[in-house]
Amino acid sequence: KQEVTQIPAALSVPEGENLVLNCSFTDSAIYNLQWFRQDPGKGLTSLLLIQSSQREQTSGRLNASLDKSSGRSTLYIAASQPGDSATYLCAVGRNSGYALNFGKGTSLLVTP
Amino acid sequence: NAGVTQTPKFRILKIGQSMTLQCTQDMNHNYMYWYRQDPGMGLKLIYYSVGAGITDKGEVPNGYNVSRSTTEDFPLRLELAAPSQTSVYFCASSGQIHQPQHFGDGTRLSIL
Repeated sequence: KQEVTQIPAALSVPEGENLVLNCSFTDSAIYNLQWFRQDPGKGLTSLLLIQSSQREQTSGRLNASLDKSSGRSTLYIAASQPGDSATYLCAVGRNSGYALNFGKGTSLLVTP
Repeated sequence: NAGVTQTPKFRILKIGQSMTLQCTQDMNHNYMYWYRQDPGMGLKLIYYSVGAGITDKGEVPNGYNVSRSTTEDFPLRLELAAPSQTSVYFCASSGQIHQPQHFGDGTRLSIL
């Protein structure tokens, strides 16, 4: 069974810092990996999707990397802003089946 | 562009009551999903659909039923509500399997 773990569970940083969020998974037979953002009381917004054959994806100040063999992904946020405050979720897509396996998320607070 | 719309946003039920959570999407997506998110936990897949008339169970289907009579709509029915079904329910859709999933804002359900 695929287990997805996100570390740390919570993170508080001052505005302007670069930061890294970590995601690990136990079964390397994945199809892709997605990073989502969830604001309080809202649904999930897809940030980046990395196919299993890719090493990284970038969107603006966000960069996600994938090391399938070691079962790890990182989400790098450059020059953090208070508007980046949210919960970030990692989800792994399996080779077979339709379910995404989600981590519990990292709650990020960026202080002015 | 509405995306994925869920109604109601909040609901309180008594034990043993039943209700239907509504989900509609305007992106002509074939794939639709229902997840539940319990506090401090990752999202779990309840049911999914790969097109009108085709549905299948996810990881936690007990106590729920779904139907998919149109491409746009994917309602989730709770029969004989139980306190263990207190959760936030999210509906999502994607154009194809393994493409980014688009989420609604969720239905917060309490069963007392």
